[in-house]
Amino acid sequence: QSVLTQPPSVSGAPGQRVTISCTGSNSNIGAGYDVHWYQQPPGTAPKLLIYRNNNRPSGVPDRFYGSKSGTSASLAITGLQAEDEADYYCQSYDSSLSGSVFGGGTKLTVL
Amino acid sequence: EVQLVESGGALVQPGGSLRLSCAASGFTFNSYAISWVRQAPGKGLEWVSTISGSGGTSYYADSVKGRFTISRDNSRNTLFLQMNSLRAGDTAVYHCAKPLDTTARFTFDSWGQGTLVTVSS
Repeated sequence: QSVLTQPPSVSGAPGQRVTISCTGSNSNIGAGYDVHWYQQPPGTAPKLLIYRNNNRPSGVPDRFYGSKSGTSASLAITGLQAEDEADYYCQSYDSSLSGSVFGGGTKLTVL
Repeated sequence: EVQLVESGGALVQPGGSLRLSCAASGFTFNSYAISWVRQAPGKGLEWVSTISGSGGTSYYADSVKGRFTISRDNSRNTLFLQMNSLRAGDTAVYHCAKPLDTTARFTFDSWGQGTLVTVSS
């Protein structure tokens, strides 16, 4: 059972918009700690997609957008493309565990 | 270009020990805290441990505390993970990961491809 809760799967057709939620608690997201998102296509290492809630590293398209509110965060992907098919993970810091925590991951399927 | 190359993964029996290494290049190694993150087959990411740039401070997930020890050799730009009392639940690909900047311990912008540890009799 992950400290951060994500839906196991989401799907959408090319061109559509999807969102992935990440629900935490008052010891992590709700305590004000930043949320980061990673993309992991099959058989590859994770890639940083969004950092500090809503910032994109160089090279990440602006189709990817992160937000945070209260004890939750969300990743939105617009203009869905086949290459977006991957597992997505949220991450934050948890003060009660004194360490980093990841969500369980969400598999995005592009129909 | 940042490169992180893990090695040392193997098949080991329950209760056994293993030492993983991560050779780093392309950045000022001793300026960054470096971490180990693992991924069990078909499962999600799990943070394991982090060590400060100087090596003076380390952090562990509860699941490995007391069994794993993280260390680094800044003269050789190498990170280590000594794993003792291994259990089946430790079976995973172990990645080393570098943070985005020197202030962000847990924001990983560079990852190695990982090394597989299998704990089985």
